[in-house]
Amino acid sequence: QVQLVQSGSELKKPGASVKVSCKASGYSFTSNAMNWVRQAPGQGLEWMGWINTNTGNPTYAQGFTGRFVFSLDTSVSTAYLQISSLKAEDTAVYYCARAVVGNGRWFDPWGQGTLVTVSS
Amino acid sequence: EIVLTQSPATLSLSPGERATLSCRASQSVSSYLAWYQQKPGQAPRLLIYDASNRATGIPARFSGSGSGTDFTLTISSLEPEDFAVYYCQQRSNWSYTFGQGTKLEIK
Repeated sequence: QVQLVQSGSELKKPGASVKVSCKASGYSFTSNAMNWVRQAPGQGLEWMGWINTNTGNPTYAQGFTGRFVFSLDTSVSTAYLQISSLKAEDTAVYYCARAVVGNGRWFDPWGQGTLVTVSS
Repeated sequence: EIVLTQSPATLSLSPGERATLSCRASQSVSSYLAWYQQKPGQAPRLLIYDASNRATGIPARFSGSGSGTDFTLTISSLEPEDFAVYYCQQRSNWSYTFGQGTKLEIK
């Protein structure tokens, strides 16, 4: 079945970097764009942007430029989110989600989420 | 950017009752709206896409309706496992937005 499996929780100090992985299985990895969504503690869902899995071209939502980088390794069907110069406010669960195209576009499935905690 | 406003913020109902959740867009999104369910500690799960189509494996008690700017998610008869947070989502101009969520809690 189609599945996205993310890397485990991370505890980082302010100023450090983190790289979250999202491994896809059960479908052709380059057939669907991969999106990233952030959920701060007790808050709603915030779309961070997406990466074209054919070209590797990323698109970042407003507020997610500069310190956030999306990348791919198509040889292992994996997408990555790297965040540099971590701040306390980056503490959140980060999800990858496959985009499905029909009349509209929606996310299915989602990875299980990766909790990134930034604390000194 | 299109803003999605969900109401109510919290809905308190009992099992067996009917739930009606609303999502209003700041401008027309045609029928390009999806609904997700999120339970505590879990990732969101797709329920409805293109406003009224149930995703694979979603029970028939879940239905979606609407077009343009006003959308509704209806759960015909609540089961205990339906108490969760529900989000609507749209895509336009190469960007996505989510509503702020409706928490469906047990009364």
